[in-house]
Amino acid sequence: QKEVEQNSGPLSVPEGAIASLNCTYSDRVSQSFFWYRQYSGKSPELIMSIYSNGDKEDGRFTAQLNKASQYVSLLIRDSQPSDSATYLCAVNMGDSNYQLIWGAGTKLIIKP
Amino acid sequence: DADVTQTPRNRITKTGKRIMLECSQTKGHDRMYWYRQDPGLGLRLIYYSFDVKDINKGEISDGYSVSRQAQAKFSLSLESAIPNQTALYFCATSDFGTTDSRFNGYTFGSGTRLTVV
Repeated sequence: QKEVEQNSGPLSVPEGAIASLNCTYSDRVSQSFFWYRQYSGKSPELIMSIYSNGDKEDGRFTAQLNKASQYVSLLIRDSQPSDSATYLCAVNMGDSNYQLIWGAGTKLIIKP
Repeated sequence: DADVTQTPRNRITKTGKRIMLECSQTKGHDRMYWYRQDPGLGLRLIYYSFDVKDINKGEISDGYSVSRQAQAKFSLSLESAIPNQTALYFCATSDFGTTDSRFNGYTFGSGTRLTVV
């Protein structure tokens, strides 16, 4: 069974520090990787997508992909209290016809 | 207006009642999905549709049915609601990635909070 694993947390990070969120996936033939942010009671919001090995930066967010090790991570620099949310990792498995497999999410708490 | 609109936003219903949740989108996407989310369990796929004539069961379809009335509309029905169907329900849409264009993930509606008493 194809899986996406995340540490459920909560992960507590001081304001201004770097928050590091990790995700592993089971299928070697995966093509697209996504990080969604979800505030409590709200819908998931896409914040980063990554398709190739290496780093991709967008403002305070950096996504890192390592296909050989089958993990994808999200770094949040200069963490703000507004970053407190649950972060969902989603992976398009190789033969899933562009469907996403979801991790259960990591709850991030930024402490002022 | 939102790209993906769900109605109602909140609903309380009684056990045994039939209820319909509606989703409409202006993204022009062919693919639509219904998920439910329970605390600590993440997103679970109920049904998905790749076009008007293609509807598929997800991992938790029992007790649910769907109708794809048009490319832009996908509704979810609970034929006889039960309390353990109390959850947050999300509709999502996606385009179809090809070798020439990236798959851009899903766009979600704002959700429907359903309570069955």
